[in-house]
Amino acid sequence: EPEVTQTPSHQVTQMGQEVILRCVPISNHLYFYWYRQILGQKVEFLVSFYNNEISEKSEIFDDQFSVERPDGSNFTLKIRSTKLEDSAMYFCASNPMAEQFFGPGTRLTVL
Amino acid sequence: AQTVTQSQPEMSVQEAETVTLSCTYDTSENNYYLFWYKQPPSRQMILVIRQEAYKQQNATENRFSVNFQKAAKSFSLKISDSQLGDTAMYFCAFTYNYGQNFVFGPGTRLSVLP
Repeated sequence: EPEVTQTPSHQVTQMGQEVILRCVPISNHLYFYWYRQILGQKVEFLVSFYNNEISEKSEIFDDQFSVERPDGSNFTLKIRSTKLEDSAMYFCASNPMAEQFFGPGTRLTVL
Repeated sequence: AQTVTQSQPEMSVQEAETVTLSCTYDTSENNYYLFWYKQPPSRQMILVIRQEAYKQQNATENRFSVNFQKAAKSFSLKISDSQLGDTAMYFCAFTYNYGQNFVFGPGTRLSVLP
């Protein structure tokens, strides 16, 4: 069964560094998403992406964040200058309709 | 704005017994979808069950079933014959617009006790 994949599973970085989180959505899906989950808290929407552009973004998704679909399969989230409070699980998701299929997440730790 | 509320931060149930997790939501939309996602300690988000608002019949998926009360904007999850592997965080989620604009509730931590 096709699934969303994410790499790396765990990323450790120093405050102020740039990180790129990678996702490979399910191949025939058209909508892509990034979510964040700070430890012990709920899942928060960051951004949705359709037809090679951002369709919606939340207040969390400020100028430090960007998304890209550099080729036909990858979907990336870049954080330009990481802060301590960016430490969280980051989930990628995709869907054709209705329910979203989530990747296993990337745990980002900012030191 | 759409909101999803889960009033039970934590629950526990004995193995083989039945437990019901509550969820309420607020929306002015008429066509929407509701979901329950399970997040075990591995933190993977796993879809448990979905319900289309236009369907009156409650969704069931093996040991999992929902009680969807559209007028009351309530969407509870019943887990029958609870198993140790059901121990997880459970998130109620809402979406309209064909799967965009997902909104998650704060989650209920369920512990299944041996």
